[in-house]
Amino acid sequence: AQSVAQPEDQVNVAEGNPLTVKCTYSVSGNPYLFWYVQYPNRGLQFLLKYITGDNLVKGSYGFEAEFNKSQTSFHLKKPSALVSDSALYFCAVRDMGTGTGFQKLVFGTGTRLLVSP
Amino acid sequence: EAGVAQSPRYKIIEKRQSVAFWCNPISGHATLYWYQQILGQGPKLLIQFQNNGVVDDSQLPKDRFSAERLKGVDSTLKIQPAKLEDSAVYLCASSLRGDRDRVHNEQFFGPGTRLTVL
Repeated sequence: AQSVAQPEDQVNVAEGNPLTVKCTYSVSGNPYLFWYVQYPNRGLQFLLKYITGDNLVKGSYGFEAEFNKSQTSFHLKKPSALVSDSALYFCAVRDMGTGTGFQKLVFGTGTRLLVSP
Repeated sequence: EAGVAQSPRYKIIEKRQSVAFWCNPISGHATLYWYQQILGQGPKLLIQFQNNGVVDDSQLPKDRFSAERLKGVDSTLKIQPAKLEDSAVYLCASSLRGDRDRVHNEQFFGPGTRLTVL
C-alpha cells in the first residue's frame, strides 16, 4: 500500500526566513504526491501536486515542493515565511485502491507550522 | 463556483446516541468522499462514491457507520450508536471523477463537521 510519512509534528520558523516541511513516501510504481493545508475550522485546501516532469513543483501562496526520487522525499518549501502561513500541512499520495481501481488519497499525520513575527 | 457544503458544523452527543452528517458536493462532481480526521492524525478515507454507487468502503466500520448518496448528488453519513472514539472531524470531499483515468482530479474539501461524543 502507498504511504507517506511526515517526521515532524511541528516546525517553527521566524517570519521572513525560509521554511521546509518534510515528507517521505513509500509507493509501488510512479508516485503521485500532493500537499494540502488546513487552517483552523476550515477544510483542506490543495497547495500543489507532483505527477511527472520537473522535480520542482510550484503551487499556491508562493509554496513549492521538491521531488527527490533517490531520497523518496517530497519536501514543501517557501523562500520567505509569513505569519499567515501558520497552519497544519498534510502530505498525501494517490492510491489506486486495491481491487477497486479508483483513486483515493492517503494522508500523512500532518505537520503544524508556526511562523513567529 | 460554490464549494463543498457540510452541515452541521459542530455536533455534541452522548455515547450510544445516533448522529447524521450531510454533504452537498460541487455541482457536476461524480466522486464523493467521506474522511474521518481524529485529532493529531491525517484524514482517513471512510467511504468513496462514484455517482450513487459505493466503490470503496473498506475502512468504514459497517457495524455502526452507514452512508448513502441517493440520486448521485447529496450524501449523508450516519453513526449509530456512537462511541467515544468516534470523536473526530468528518470531512466531505468531491472530485470530477475518481476512476481509472490516469489524470488525477483534485479533491475539494468541505469545512468539516466536528463531532464530540461524551
